[in-house]
Amino acid sequence: QVQLVESGGGVVQPGRALRLSCAASGFTFSSYAMHWVRQAPGKGLEWVAIVSINGKDNHFAESVKGRFTIYRENFKNTFYLQMDNLRIEDTAVYYCVRGSDSGGYWGDYWGQGTLVTVSS
Amino acid sequence: EIVLTQSPATLSLSPGERATLSCRASQSVRNYLGWYQQVPGQAPRLLIYDTSNRATGIPARFSGSGSGTDFTLTISSLEPEDFAVYYCQQRSAWPLTFGGGTKVEIK
Repeated sequence: QVQLVESGGGVVQPGRALRLSCAASGFTFSSYAMHWVRQAPGKGLEWVAIVSINGKDNHFAESVKGRFTIYRENFKNTFYLQMDNLRIEDTAVYYCVRGSDSGGYWGDYWGQGTLVTVSS
Repeated sequence: EIVLTQSPATLSLSPGERATLSCRASQSVRNYLGWYQQVPGQAPRLLIYDTSNRATGIPARFSGSGSGTDFTLTISSLEPEDFAVYYCQQRSAWPLTFGGGTKVEIK
């Protein structure tokens, strides 16, 4: 069965960096686009970024563009979110999400999330 | 970016009743609109994609309709497990965006 397991969350000071990882199993990882979606405490969902199948055609939310990088290592069945220059408003649960078969735009499987807290 | 506005913010209904949730886009998203369900404490689940296609394993009581800027998610007869928060999402243009959510609560 499809499994997505996030790691790397924690408490970090504003301006610092953090890298999230998502380990995938139960499907052919290299055939799917992958996303990060976040949810601030008590708030709604916010799409963050997508990494394409080959890692070369990626897109970001305006709120993280220029600060976050997304990449993947298909041989490890893992993808990452490198978060630099973190802000207090980046505090959220970060979900890794598999893009669906129909173009990869829909999130058909979700991890359980990892909490990132940005605080001084 | 495309802004999605969901209404109402909260819907108070009883089990067995019909739920109608709305999602309005700031510009046309053609038919590239989907819906997710999030039960408190859990990750979201894809219900509907491309306006009206049910995702794998989603019961037939969930249906989607609309086009352009106005979309609807209908739950024909609410089951106890359907009381949750529902989000719409568009994939017509980058960046992908979500609506603010509609909470369906027990009346």
